[in-house]
Amino acid sequence: AQKVTQAQTEISVVEKEDVTLDCVYETRDTTYYLFWYKQPPSGELVFLIRRNSFDEQNEISGRYSWNFQKSTSSFNFTITASQVVDSAVYFCALTRQLTFGSGTQLTVLP
Amino acid sequence: NAGVTQTPKFRVLKTGQSMTLLCAQDMNHEYMYWYRQDPGMGLRLIHYSVGEGTTAKGEVPDGYNVSRLKKQNFLLGLESAAPSQTSVYFCASSYFAGVGETQYFGPGTRLLVL
Repeated sequence: AQKVTQAQTEISVVEKEDVTLDCVYETRDTTYYLFWYKQPPSGELVFLIRRNSFDEQNEISGRYSWNFQKSTSSFNFTITASQVVDSAVYFCALTRQLTFGSGTQLTVLP
Repeated sequence: NAGVTQTPKFRVLKTGQSMTLLCAQDMNHEYMYWYRQDPGMGLRLIHYSVGEGTTAKGEVPDGYNVSRLKKQNFLLGLESAAPSQTSVYFCASSYFAGVGETQYFGPGTRLLVL
């Protein structure tokens, strides 16, 4: 069975601080994909990134970066210089059938 | 190109009533999914469909039925609503269900069962 754990239920930071959201996963598959989705207060789910199990290179997209470490089964998400608009619930997810973590509520205070 | 749309956005039901949630996608995706989101539990898969005319059970299928009569539509039915089905329901679609295929989500339907 697959499992995704996001141990941080809620995080609050002040604008411009960096913040890292943790994601730890369990799977017996040798090939798998990991995802991050953002759910802003409006409620929709926005796809952020997909990473496959064979590619452990870190990825950066603007203020967002992702650190995938297969050795520790982690796929952490860092927001640099956070902004109020980053306030949302962030979900980590794992295939095959998309298994979601319970989410981390990020609040960025002005 | 509307992506994935869901109807209705919000609904209140009394226990025992029935209703159907409609999901539509205009991306010509083969695969469609229904999830429910409950506080502190992330999203859980209810049912999914790998193509027109097919459906399969997910993690929490009890109390729900689905139909995929047209490729672009995926219906979720509650025959006899229960308070435990109060939740936010999300529909998603993907081009196929390969290991790495990205699912795209609709805006959600908030359902309250009294």
